[in-house]
Amino acid sequence: RKEVEQDPGPFNVPEGATVAFNCTYSNSASQSFFWYRQDCRKEPKLLMSVYSSGNEDGRFTAQLNRASQYISLLIRDSKLSDSATYLCVGDGSSNTGKLIFGQGTTLQVKP
Amino acid sequence: GAGVSQSPRYKVAKRGQDVALRCDPISGHVSLFWYQQALGQGPEFLTYFQNEAQLDKSGLPSDRFFAERPEGSVSTLKIQRTQQEDSAVYLCASLPAGGYNEQFFGPGTRLTVL
Repeated sequence: RKEVEQDPGPFNVPEGATVAFNCTYSNSASQSFFWYRQDCRKEPKLLMSVYSSGNEDGRFTAQLNRASQYISLLIRDSKLSDSATYLCVGDGSSNTGKLIFGQGTTLQVKP
Repeated sequence: GAGVSQSPRYKVAKRGQDVALRCDPISGHVSLFWYQQALGQGPEFLTYFQNEAQLDKSGLPSDRFFAERPEGSVSTLKIQRTQQEDSAVYLCASLPAGGYNEQFFGPGTRLTVL
């Protein structure tokens, strides 16, 4: 079983839709979590960090539930440009900055 | 400023050949990471350097994989006697001292072993 698990999708949604991605992690000692975005044949880039209190950045909202070891990402009012793979990432309880990635969830926003 | 650069961007090797992949991190970044990303998968950690010291190599899949960062800046990942299962994108990322949240990734080297 992978330490960070995601539904690979793909999620196909129309423009303007709200879409939610979920992720679970198995290492309860993990401290920090992130969502990274990866466009086709490009490198991953940080989308946002995830906090227990929940955090929002424009149309994007991330949430961490430590009790359930569950992380979510909500995208409101989807744009064509949101089409990408979204990687759920934890630190695997490492304090070195090492990242543990999920498989990624593919989102395709259609006109 | 310049980001993380990697070379070559694409490498085709015959099975059994040795390859060397280069990473130039952002100037002054202390930490450097190598990841392997197979098709359709997320990146998998290979190894980690703090300056010139290799502090974690737990992700290296076999002793055919070797990484170095002799002067604490440029790093090289070497794969000896390549096998078809080594085909993947090899990503390098760097972090500044005290940085923790955002790793800056290079564009990767796409290795294809025939």
